[in-house]
Amino acid sequence: GAVVSQHPSRVICKSGTSVKIECRSLDFQATTMFWYRQFPKKSLMLMATSNEGSKATYEQGVEKDKFLINHASLTLSTLTVTSAHPEDSSFYICSARLGGAYPEAFFGQGTRLTVV
Amino acid sequence: KQEVTQIPAALSVPEGENLVLNCSFTDSAIYNLQWFRQDPGKGLTSLLLIQSSQREQTSGRLNASLDKSSGRSTLYIAASQPGDSATYLCAVNTDKLIFGTGTRLQVFP
Repeated sequence: GAVVSQHPSRVICKSGTSVKIECRSLDFQATTMFWYRQFPKKSLMLMATSNEGSKATYEQGVEKDKFLINHASLTLSTLTVTSAHPEDSSFYICSARLGGAYPEAFFGQGTRLTVV
Repeated sequence: KQEVTQIPAALSVPEGENLVLNCSFTDSAIYNLQWFRQDPGKGLTSLLLIQSSQREQTSGRLNASLDKSSGRSTLYIAASQPGDSATYLCAVNTDKLIFGTGTRLQVFP
């Protein structure tokens, strides 16, 4: 299957700083990328959907100014958590989806963010 | 709005049992449905993908079925093993990829 690389896998940052998470599709061009957040023992909550070259579509309740998403190319999307607070600590996972009539999504390995 | 629910939320069984995990979704206009497993603190491992035109997919001891009209999918695990212990997630693919609530499975020796 196709490979999606997410970096970093773990990050610890201080409150008030910003953290950038990268999601790359290594061997295919992704028309759409998704960002998810997962709280402990919970399922994945969709934060936003991004299409290359256009603004991301955020889900209700997700702060656009706090979670900045950039999808500058067909192989790279970034999520920047701005002015991080301890409550932003979570597991973040990206997904890249192939286009076409039968789109399939592939997932990064996730980023464990801890804000201290 | 697409809602995806999984039943049961948790399941604990002895090794060797055959299991059925359920996934239901409210909007049947889907491209496909995927089943994943997630080990604690880890990312997702894709298990099976069923296209909207298909009824089932099989991989080893796993069999997933899809009844799009009724908004249901099941994941059948044959002869369960302790290594199958994980959280199982279904995800429905439309214009978005929405995950179900998950089933935490524990298989004990």
